[in-house]
Amino acid sequence: DAGVIQSPRHEVTEMGQEVTLRCKPISGHDYLFWYRQTMMRGLELLIYFNNNVPIDDSGMPEDRFSAKMPNASFSTLKIQPSEPRDSAVYFCASSRVRQPQHFGDGTRLSIL
Amino acid sequence: DQQVKQNSPSLSVQEGRISILNCDYTNSMFDYFLWYKKYPAEGPTFLISISSIKDKNEDGRFTVFLNKSAKHLSLHIVPSQPGDSAVYFCAARGPGTYKYIFGTGTRLKVLA
Repeated sequence: DAGVIQSPRHEVTEMGQEVTLRCKPISGHDYLFWYRQTMMRGLELLIYFNNNVPIDDSGMPEDRFSAKMPNASFSTLKIQPSEPRDSAVYFCASSRVRQPQHFGDGTRLSIL
Repeated sequence: DQQVKQNSPSLSVQEGRISILNCDYTNSMFDYFLWYKKYPAEGPTFLISISSIKDKNEDGRFTVFLNKSAKHLSLHIVPSQPGDSAVYFCAARGPGTYKYIFGTGTRLKVLA
């Protein structure tokens, strides 16, 4: 079984640029989660979807962040415009109902 | 306001001995708890979970204990192996939500 696939694995860009992170969840999983990991705050939930519908986006830090799930096999997290403080590792995870989450290997984002 | 706290950033244990990782939470509504293990450059991997209706759950070398009155859970690894060296995260959620709150992690080093 393929796990959660995230791309790119690394992204380095200059502040002000648009950044798009991509995620392919495990087939058959109803839930998709976006997390951000920083040294200061650890793993924070940004947003999660159920059946492609956003359920809780209270963790999205600012309007510069947006997430979409156009279908059951794809989701994006977009930052526009990006800032140096957005530098972090971003994880996508998916799960079936009432089951533990499976995480992707993350995207390491550096904003210069 | 950190609702899930792992107060020990790191822990070193001799191979073969017991590793005990601790986690405290503040929200008495949390009813489901999980432990994840994370290796460098990989996403977290689910280890073990416990529901608030139990006080202990065991899976091989891993046991999680839950003390609801103290709002405390712990993960015991017996015997510890060098391959257990990783960062361990505890996470919690309340009823009716999939919004998981993660602790900041404890880095375990098992010495051969």
